[in-house]
Amino acid sequence: DAGVTQSPTHLIKTRGQQVTLRCSPKSGHDTVSWYQQALGQGPQFIFQYYEEEERQRGNFPDRFSGHQFPNYSSELNVNALLLGDSALYLCASSLALGDEQYFGPGTRLTVT
Amino acid sequence: GNSVTQMEGPVTLSEEAFLTINCTYTATGYPSLFWYVQYPGEGLQLLLKATKADDKGSNKGFEATYRKETTSFHLEKGSVQVSDSAVYFCARRRDTDKLIFGTGTRLQVFP
Repeated sequence: DAGVTQSPTHLIKTRGQQVTLRCSPKSGHDTVSWYQQALGQGPQFIFQYYEEEERQRGNFPDRFSGHQFPNYSSELNVNALLLGDSALYLCASSLALGDEQYFGPGTRLTVT
Repeated sequence: GNSVTQMEGPVTLSEEAFLTINCTYTATGYPSLFWYVQYPGEGLQLLLKATKADDKGSNKGFEATYRKETTSFHLEKGSVQVSDSAVYFCARRRDTDKLIFGTGTRLQVFP
């Protein structure tokens, strides 16, 4: 049984560009959350998707957007990249709202 | 505000030493509390959790007790191993399912 998978593993982008990160939840899970982990910091909640809708959102600007597909996989999009967006982006899935979250290995984004 | 505070690292120990990593939280109500571990190059793994006051979470020799009176959830292990070297994150969650993490504590265990 595959756990949470994310792609790509690493990504290098230039300031001002746009990026899309992908996440496949653990089998049977329908809820996906995204977190940003800056170097040396704890993960910060970006948003959560359930039933293809954004259910909660953290303190991130509108440049950060997402989507959930009918198969429960999810994308995180970041527009107009800034140097400060360089971080490890973690996806977590759960069986339902309020259930234990399982994390993927993350996508390391570097903005130059 | 609502936050989680952990002791700063790195914590450096010899194998078989006793480990304590302090964690305190501020929150309204009674959040669920968690310890996650992050090994080098990997994502987060849930280590243990407690959902109400006086609950003790335990896993792989690690323990933490939910102390409402001191708003704490300190992580302990009686005898650490080199393989325990990782970054440990304390986190809390209220009804809304959003996890709030501390800044993490790096543990380095030497043989």
